[in-house]
Amino acid sequence: AQKITQTQPGMFVQEKEAVTLDCTYDTSDQSYGLFWYKQPSSGEMIFLIYQGSYDEQNATEGRYSLNFQKARKSANLVISASQLGDSAMYFCAMREAGDKVIFGPGTSLSVIP
Amino acid sequence: ETGVTQTPRHLVMGMTNKKSLKCEQHLGHNAMYWYKQSAKKPLELMFVYSLEERVENNSVPSRFSPECPNSSHLFLHLHTLQPEDSALYLCASSQEEGEFGYTFGSGTRLTVV
Repeated sequence: AQKITQTQPGMFVQEKEAVTLDCTYDTSDQSYGLFWYKQPSSGEMIFLIYQGSYDEQNATEGRYSLNFQKARKSANLVISASQLGDSAMYFCAMREAGDKVIFGPGTSLSVIP
Repeated sequence: ETGVTQTPRHLVMGMTNKKSLKCEQHLGHNAMYWYKQSAKKPLELMFVYSLEERVENNSVPSRFSPECPNSSHLFLHLHTLQPEDSALYLCASSQEEGEFGYTFGSGTRLTVV
């Protein structure tokens, strides 16, 4: 069974607008971590933001924020004030016990000028 | 520079060739990973090394052979590959425990002809 679901294969957003990328996850662990990575066309995976399962506040990093809804097992990424350089693949990921990180299928984001 | 360096960036090899992918990190991380990223598929974890010992092999065919001579270097030796092995091979490293996930290299784009 897929543990990380990203239901949006592709998304478009107007430059300077905000966009939400969806992510839902499945785990029976009480302690886990959620991550978002960005992969531009160059191939490198860039860490964006982290949310721990016990963190009560939503994580924020600059223009990135994570909308964490634990009961719904969702960890959506919100990018504010989109820039052309934000065009990339975005992967939601989860780390359960054992330090393994599992990745979702990704969402392709295109920022339109 | 991401802190994790992969060489070569691109590799084209015949099915009877033997080649090696190299990954190097100088972040003081204790764990290193090989991931395979095929088109339209989630990242697949191939191998995990922790403190230079292999801790996981996710049923990877024997034509892929990893080697971790020290905590800073990780190799993936390739022989008699198939065309379906063409993919982006990503190396990552991490602390054993930590909230910041993995640091990835830029990957090696492998094409098997």
